[in-house]
Amino acid sequence: KAGVTQTPRYLIKTRGQQVTLSCSPISGHRSVSWYQQTPGQGLQFLFEYFSETQRNKGNFPGRFSGRQFSNSRSEMNVSTLELGDSALYLCASSPQGHGYEQYFGPGTRLTVT
Amino acid sequence: AQSVTQPDIHITVSEGASLELRCNYSYGATPYLFWYVQSPGQGLQLLLKYFSGDTLVQGIKGFEAEFKRSQSSFNLRKPSVHWSDAAEYFCAVGGGLTGGGNKLTFGTGTQLKVEL
Repeated sequence: KAGVTQTPRYLIKTRGQQVTLSCSPISGHRSVSWYQQTPGQGLQFLFEYFSETQRNKGNFPGRFSGRQFSNSRSEMNVSTLELGDSALYLCASSPQGHGYEQYFGPGTRLTVT
Repeated sequence: AQSVTQPDIHITVSEGASLELRCNYSYGATPYLFWYVQSPGQGLQLLLKYFSGDTLVQGIKGFEAEFKRSQSSFNLRKPSVHWSDAAEYFCAVGGGLTGGGNKLTFGTGTQLKVEL
């Protein structure tokens, strides 16, 4: 099976802009989670989607949002970018019934200038 | 709320030597525990997982981990390290969400350097 794919792999944006990141889960996986990784804060949970519904959300401002489509693909959006949003954004998918067993994609490296 | 502590930020071992990376967790119920490895610029690869049952779990690449409830620990071990094992290792615990859902809480990671 193909792994989790994320596009784009690298992105450079300017403060105030918005960005959309995409994630395609492993075939058959319906749960998709997003994490932010920074040197200062480490790996932090952003949100989780299951069957097109946001099931849980981490402690991030409303500028961070996401959605999931009927084919389980997911997107996350960050509006009004700040310098502190520069990070590696990781997407993970889980097999049904084993939600904590998460398989990660390679990430999208976002740089905000 | 659950938490994970990895007390060693950096560890250096010689190739062929044994390795143990420490992980302590805080969680109110029986935890779901994981070890992941991350190479530079890459995502996280699942090394092994513990859900229940046998407290010694085997993973990929020759790694194993032992769950010790009395010590709230889940240490990762490898009998003989290879140069290709140099990477950052993360311990994680699953759970802590009311109403269901999945969330992993990660430790701060241990950077492993392998000397040839």
